[in-house]
Amino acid sequence: DQQVKQNSPSLSVQEGRISILNCDYTNSMFDYFLWYKKYPAEGPTFLISISSIKDKNEDGRFTVFLNKSAKHLSLHIVPSQPGDSAVYFCAASFSGSARQLTFGSGTQLTVLP
Amino acid sequence: EAGVTQFPSHSVIEKGQTVTLRCDPISGHDNLYWYRRVMGKEIKFLLHFVKESKQDESGMPNNRFLAERTGGTYSTLKVQPAELEDSGVYFCATRDSGYGYTFGSGTRLTVV
Repeated sequence: DQQVKQNSPSLSVQEGRISILNCDYTNSMFDYFLWYKKYPAEGPTFLISISSIKDKNEDGRFTVFLNKSAKHLSLHIVPSQPGDSAVYFCAASFSGSARQLTFGSGTQLTVLP
Repeated sequence: EAGVTQFPSHSVIEKGQTVTLRCDPISGHDNLYWYRRVMGKEIKFLLHFVKESKQDESGMPNNRFLAERTGGTYSTLKVQPAELEDSGVYFCATRDSGYGYTFGSGTRLTVV
């Protein structure tokens, strides 16, 4: 039973436009959410995160939105660049000492020049 | 600061053989995790060390998997005997006191 779901395996966007990646979760106890970016043959690298006490966090071109009532978060990339092409993973965690991550299955973003 | 190092980067073994994966963490990171991604699916938690102690191994698939962390430094993950369904990419990650995870590049294991 997957607790974090990314229902779009792939997304193609034109350079300069907005990319919106979506993620849903089922466990209402999750209180911290992260997005990771992964290039081929590399490990996931941290992109941006949000605590459940917030509904938005912004870092440069990247913004994460959290809708707790809908158990949904999204990552917006504006403007999209070809170097953003990668697999994006949504992850959720419980606060506390363990902080293990529960990941979604990833969305392959392709930004077309 | 050196990152998390994993080796080998690739391993192809026959069903029934033994394979040992190694992870060298970032110095000073007490928390070390193993994760696995199978067949392009989600990245799944396997286990968590704090220093040399196993804190949580609830994600280990079965007793063919054995993880150790010697003296709280490097960690090994042994699969014995390997089965076809063990194929995937195994990631090691270490974390400081916050949410600062750093992942290694992974070991791609193929069991044939």
